Amino acid sequence: EAQVTQNPRYLITVTGKKLTVTCSQNMNHEYMSWYRQDPGLGLRQIYYSMNVEVTDKGDVPEGYKVSRKEKRNFPLILESPSPNQTSLYFCASSRRGTGAATEAFFGQGTRLTVV
Amino acid sequence: SQKIEQNSEALNIQEGKTATLTCNYTNYSPAYLQWYRQDPGRGPVFLLLIRENEKEKRKERLKVTFDTTLKQSLFHITASQPADSATYLCALWAQGYSTLTFGKGTMLLVSP
Repeated sequence: EAQVTQNPRYLITVTGKKLTVTCSQNMNHEYMSWYRQDPGLGLRQIYYSMNVEVTDKGDVPEGYKVSRKEKRNFPLILESPSPNQTSLYFCASSRRGTGAATEAFFGQGTRLTVV
Repeated sequence: SQKIEQNSEALNIQEGKTATLTCNYTNYSPAYLQWYRQDPGRGPVFLLLIRENEKEKRKERLKVTFDTTLKQSLFHITASQPADSATYLCALWAQGYSTLTFGKGTMLLVSP
C-alpha cells in the first residue's frame, strides 16, 4: 500500500530537548516536504527536498533542520524546541513530473507539544 | 506578495444540494492547481488537479474549474452527502517555484 509514515504521532517534550520526527515513503517519490498546521494559519511549508541530498527552505524554516540521505526518508529535526513550535506537523511526498511535482501524499501527522 | 484566499467562513448546505467552494489567488502564475480534503486531525487527501491550460476537470461528483484570467478556481460537489463534510484546501504549484502552497481551507458542513 502506498503510504507516507510519520513517527511519532504524538509527542510532548520540554523546551530545549532535541527531537527528531521521522518520515518515510514507499512510493519512490523524488519530492518530499514538511508542513506545520496551526489554527487560522493553515498549512505552511517548513522545508522541502527535490531529491537525495537536495534540500531547501520553505516559508517557515527557522528552528528546524532536515536531511535527505536516502530517497525514502526525510526526518525533521528540532535542535532546541521552543513552545512556539507546538503544532501539528505533516510530511508529504510527490512524484516530480516535468517541471512540477504532482499530487502530494501526506502522512498521518505528528502532534507536537513543547512545554 | 503572493496570496491564496479561500472563504474562511464555513459553508453550510443541505444534503443533495451542490456545494461550491472558491479559491482566489494573486501574484501567482500557477502551473497547476490542486484540491485536497482534510478531516480533523488527519493529513490532507488529494482530490483533483487541474493544469493552467485546462478549463474544467471532473471526477465522479466533483468538478473543478480554473480561470487564469479571473485568477480563480471553483470546486463543486454535486449531490452532496453528510460524509462530504470536511475542510477543503486548494493548493498552487507556481511557475518558477519549487513549492506547493496551500490556502487556509474552507470547512463544508452538509446536513441531512
